[in-house]
Amino acid sequence: KQEVTQIPAALSVPEGENLVLNCSFTDSAIYNLQWFRQDPGKGLTSLLLIQSSQREQTSGRLNASLDKSSGRSTLYIAASQPGDSATYLCAGGYSTLTFGKGTMLLVSP
Amino acid sequence: NAGVMQNPRHLVRRRGQEARLRCSPMKGHSHVYWYRQLPEEGLKFMVYLQKENIIDESGMPKERFSAEFPKEGPSILRIQQVVRGDSAAYFCASSPLGDRGRNEQFFGPGTRLTVL
Repeated sequence: KQEVTQIPAALSVPEGENLVLNCSFTDSAIYNLQWFRQDPGKGLTSLLLIQSSQREQTSGRLNASLDKSSGRSTLYIAASQPGDSATYLCAGGYSTLTFGKGTMLLVSP
Repeated sequence: NAGVMQNPRHLVRRRGQEARLRCSPMKGHSHVYWYRQLPEEGLKFMVYLQKENIIDESGMPKERFSAEFPKEGPSILRIQQVVRGDSAAYFCASSPLGDRGRNEQFFGPGTRLTVL
């Protein structure tokens, strides 16, 4: 059974800092690893998808990496902004997704 | 291209009533997934459907819950005889592919169910 863990559970940083969010999973046979953003009371916004044959994906200030051998993925956010404040979720699986509990990020001006 | 649509956005039911949650996938997507987010918990998979077929319902409670994705119309998640513990946010996602390949899932805004 796939289990996904995210560390830290919460993170507070000043604007402009670069930061890394961590995600670990127990089943290395994971096929897709997807990072989402969730704002309070809202749905999920897909940020990046990494397929098992890939090692990283980039979109703007975001970079996600996947290391299947160690069962880890990281989301790197460059030059953080207050608008980045949200909960970040990682999820993995074949067709259905198993989610971590998220990292709640607060970027202060 | 409209995103995944869910309605209603908020639903209030009294214990024992039925709740019907609707989900229209993105255009061109034939795979639908339902997830539940309980207060203070992460999202949990419930059921995965294709048109007229349930592919995986391993996360669905055995009683009172059912789901369908008819040939025409939205996917429906139905909860009979709701109890307070059913209060949660229910999210629907859709994808163009079911497994393997670039199976990126796109989520709707959710339906927040409150059981009084």
